[in-house]
Amino acid sequence: DIVMTQSPDSLAVSLGERATIKCKSSQTVLYNSNNKNYLAWYQQKPGQPPKLLIYWASTRESGVPDRFSGSGSGTDFTLTISSLQAEDVAVYYCHQYYNTPLTFGGGTKVEIK
Amino acid sequence: EVQLVESGGGVVRPGGSLRLSCVGSGFTFDDHAMSWVRQAPGKGLEWVSGISWSGDSTGYADSVKGRFTIARDNAKNSLYLQMNSLRAEDTAFYSCARGAFAMVRGATDFWGQGTLVTVSS
Repeated sequence: DIVMTQSPDSLAVSLGERATIKCKSSQTVLYNSNNKNYLAWYQQKPGQPPKLLIYWASTRESGVPDRFSGSGSGTDFTLTISSLQAEDVAVYYCHQYYNTPLTFGGGTKVEIK
Repeated sequence: EVQLVESGGGVVRPGGSLRLSCVGSGFTFDDHAMSWVRQAPGKGLEWVSGISWSGDSTGYADSVKGRFTIARDNAKNSLYLQMNSLRAEDTAFYSCARGAFAMVRGATDFWGQGTLVTVSS
């Protein structure tokens, strides 16, 4: 199984500042035949289901603000919130869909400093 | 409007069985793979099982393989999860999730609110 490891477990960032979340997979999620990374990022607010933010590692889902961006390839990925807003307080998960069983990272809780 | 509505959760004793259902609306159900994802209270996300648009391809987490069975009925826009030999560690909110593509190997792009399964004596 592919293990997804996120860091940090939590971080506190001032409003308007950058938040950076890392995700590392135990094996590559880059599919050579189409050169796509099978990696997504989700945002989950308390009492709500997760919301898809990013897929193919860097493609923003429709309607997601452009302050959210994803980068990386192979085994190392990053979710960046360029200017943290109050409504971004949530837990963020990375997710690989390269192989079954599909797996999630442990989550990163983002709070306001 | 896309909707996924789960039902069938409840309290069950260890070793017991439960069948979850999910009805989708607002989209073409058989264009999408579907999955079940669970979340124990206060914990992270765990993918449980997924099924392709046609039902021909399925996948399971190691923790449920051999105990849970996923199925779908495209004529009824419905997804199911048969859970047998339930254990205390299966206690969680179970959510139905829509795949972005027809095959299981795809991001999930929409989730239901979930139904709570509690395994306790």
